[in-house]
Amino acid sequence: GDKVKQSPSALSLQEGTNSALRCNFSIAATTVQWFLQNPRGSLMNLFYLVPGTKENGRLKSAFDSKESYSTLHIRDAQLEDSGTYFCAAASGSWQLIFGSGTQLTVMP
Amino acid sequence: NAGVIQTPRHKVTGKGQEATLWCEPISGHSAVFWYRQTIVQGLEFLTYFRNQAPIDDSGMPKERFSAQMPNQSHSTLKIQSTQPQDSAVYLCASSLGTGGAETLYFGSGTRLTVL
Repeated sequence: GDKVKQSPSALSLQEGTNSALRCNFSIAATTVQWFLQNPRGSLMNLFYLVPGTKENGRLKSAFDSKESYSTLHIRDAQLEDSGTYFCAAASGSWQLIFGSGTQLTVMP
Repeated sequence: NAGVIQTPRHKVTGKGQEATLWCEPISGHSAVFWYRQTIVQGLEFLTYFRNQAPIDDSGMPKERFSAQMPNQSHSTLKIQSTQPQDSAVYLCASSLGTGGAETLYFGSGTRLTVL
């Protein structure tokens, strides 16, 4: 099965609303990274996490290594937040395992 | 800082032709990764260099694919005798390379189309 499972696979939001994306891990993840791939294809790093939480503007991410999951919260969604969000986990080494992504569409 | 630079952005080849993709990592980064992205398979790891040395190429198809890093400022991914199933976006990423999992910075990718 998937070592890094993302949910939901797709999501539509009204501008100004909030949402949460989730990754569940079947590996002993030690670090997690979240990326946003914009419609042009560029993958931008949003967060690098050890167990704990981080916040950057309207984005907040948490990683619980004991319960094997990570979340990405989007507050006050804007049109430019649209794209595909990927999480990726490492298990004590350099190798990242990517989830299959959440395709987010923010509608006006 | 220009970020990770990949060229070309798009490449179209005929079946059986060779394709060479280029990557310039962020200055000062000593780890370089190549990934392939398709709709069906998602993001697949291909190969990893650290300090120009190949560390792990377990994701590379054994035939036709090769990668090199002749100096710290660029890496190449070469596909010989391209096949339609090689069509994908090829992504290069770099990180500081101090060891372990680090923040990964991706280039914009090269979209390869094999006719």
